[in-house]
Amino acid sequence: QQQVKQSPQSLIVQKGGISIINCAYENTAFDYFPWYQQFPGKGPALLIAIRPDVSEKKEGRFTISFNKSAKQFSLHIMDSQPGDSATYFCAASKMDSSYKLIFGSGTRLLVRP
Amino acid sequence: NAGVTQTPKFQVLKTGQSMTLQCAQDMNHNSMYWYRQDPGMGLRLIYYSASEGTTDKGEVPNGYNVSRLNKREFSLRLESAAPSQTSVYFCASTTGPTGRNQPQHFGDGTRLSIL
Repeated sequence: QQQVKQSPQSLIVQKGGISIINCAYENTAFDYFPWYQQFPGKGPALLIAIRPDVSEKKEGRFTISFNKSAKQFSLHIMDSQPGDSATYFCAASKMDSSYKLIFGSGTRLLVRP
Repeated sequence: NAGVTQTPKFQVLKTGQSMTLQCAQDMNHNSMYWYRQDPGMGLRLIYYSASEGTTDKGEVPNGYNVSRLNKREFSLRLESAAPSQTSVYFCASTTGPTGRNQPQHFGDGTRLSIL
């Protein structure tokens, strides 16, 4: 039972282009939606996160768009750079004492020079 | 600046062998987690410890046991390894509710192969 569905599985973008990764969730109790970035041989690291009380959050070239009614959220990477080549995971969490994250299946992004 | 340290980094086991994966954090975090990462399946939670002295099952606990040794250390044990447990294992920690913008900090993983 996949509670957070992520697409696409892989993505190739030219340098300077826009990378878009989409996620959909089922559990309306989720109230925290982070994105993690993972480079080969390393653990994931928090990139950006959003709460459902806002529809968009921007940090530099990275933007999360959130659609509460559709239960979808997406990561946009503007002016994509070769250094952005990594695997990206969306995740969701409930505000409870476990602080557990439910991860999507991941998107492998390749930015060509 | 160690953060979350996992040992070993690589391990090859034979079916039926046992081993313990070690994890330690130096950030005074309360909560710790064990995940496994498999191609196309993201990270799946095996066990977690919301606070020192407590442990709970995650999504895929079968075949594993954990020990929260103290606030710093959280170990994962495979009692009788099976090929299906070949994976990359990640330990993570956080200070408190992720919903309050407290990220989970991950180690660099243990790559485990079971023949």
